[in-house]
Parts: sequence; C-alpha cells; structure tokens
Amino acid sequence: NAGVTQTPKFQVLKTGQSMTLQCAQDMNHEYMSWYRQDPGMGLRLIHYSVGAGITDQGEVPNGYNVSRSTTEDFPLRLLSAAPSQTSVYFCASSYTRTAYYGYTFGSGTRLTVV
Amino acid sequence: AQSVTQLGSHVSVSEGALVLLRCNYSSSVPPYLFWYVQYPNQGLQLLLKYTTGATLVKGINGFEAEFKKSETSFHLTKPSAHMSDAAEYFCAVGDRMNTGNQFYFGTGTSLTVIP
Repeated sequence: NAGVTQTPKFQVLKTGQSMTLQCAQDMNHEYMSWYRQDPGMGLRLIHYSVGAGITDQGEVPNGYNVSRSTTEDFPLRLLSAAPSQTSVYFCASSYTRTAYYGYTFGSGTRLTVV
Repeated sequence: AQSVTQLGSHVSVSEGALVLLRCNYSSSVPPYLFWYVQYPNQGLQLLLKYTTGATLVKGINGFEAEFKKSETSFHLTKPSAHMSDAAEYFCAVGDRMNTGNQFYFGTGTSLTVIP
C-alpha cells in the first residue's frame, strides 16, 4: 500500500498564482483532511471531508478550496497565492469519521509564495 | 472545542537520560489520545494511542504514555534517550463525540538529544 500520497513535494509560486496540491489515499479511508504547519503554531486544520461529496471548513479555510469527488482523492486548491500561505501542507486520512483509528499522514508539500 | 497543551516547546536531554514530554487536554469527556512523531522533512507518524482500557500504553521505539483522567494528562516517556529520538513530537486528542472535526493537535515539542 502506498498510504497517503501528496504531490508535489516542493513548489514555488508567485503571488497571485493558483495551484492545486494533490492528495490521494489507497486505503479506502472515509475521512480526509488538510493541515498547514507553521513554526510555533503546530498543525492547523484547513478543510476536511467525511466522505465523497462532503466537505467542511476547518480553522483556517480562507484562500483555499477543496472538493471530494471520489473516496481516494482530496485536492487542495489555492485560489490566488499570497506570501502568508507559505507553509508546509499535510494531507491526512482516517478509516472512519471517528477519531478512534488516528490519522495516516502524507509526507507533505513545502510551498513557498514569493 | 477541545484544546491540547504541550508544556515546553523545546526539550533537551542527554543520551541515555529519561525523556518526558508533557501533554494536557481540556475536555469533559475523556477523548482518544495520540502521540505523533515528526522527523525532519517528513510527515507525522503515529507513536502510540489510547482509546480505552489499560491506561499505560506502549508504542514504537520504546516510548510509552499514561492516561491520567484526574490530571487530564497523557505524558510521553522513554527510559533512555537515543540520538535517533531527536524529532518533533505532537500530542493530539480525538473527539469521541463523532463531530466533523476529529482531531486537535498541540503545538509540538522539539526534542534534542545531547551526546
């Protein structure tokens, strides 16, 4: 099993550009989420999904869009990149919508906005 | 919402010494509890978790943690630190009430092991 796969691993964007961070899991996990990690702030939830076709906002959703058309994929879209979105982004998934099983994390995407 | 407090953003120990990383949570209902480890430039890996039953749980790499309901704590320990333990450690709580947002993370503790 590949687990949770994130692409790309690194990306540099110019202010105002848009892009999509890809996340795919092959474990048939119901729950998927996106976090950003910034120094001293831990992990902050951007968006999450409890199943195909269902998404909701987390703690810091502004400037980001998500969709969940399949169980496997949960892409994160940056609409108009800003320097404040420079961060490391992690996708995570869980077997069910309950917290019992914990998360499986991807290896991250390091994004720099200049 | 739940909250998770990790005391000490940086902890340094000598190789072979006891590792103690502290985690406290705020919740009226005991949550699921997790510790994750993040090595440089990698994602987070599950170290151990408490869901129910025995309050002392053992994880990978010799780590263990004890759930203390009266103290709302879930501190992580390892009897003897190894150089390879240097990493960032995150405590997380999971909501038993099955709400949409499952997880709440602490801000992390960076562990340095001094040779």
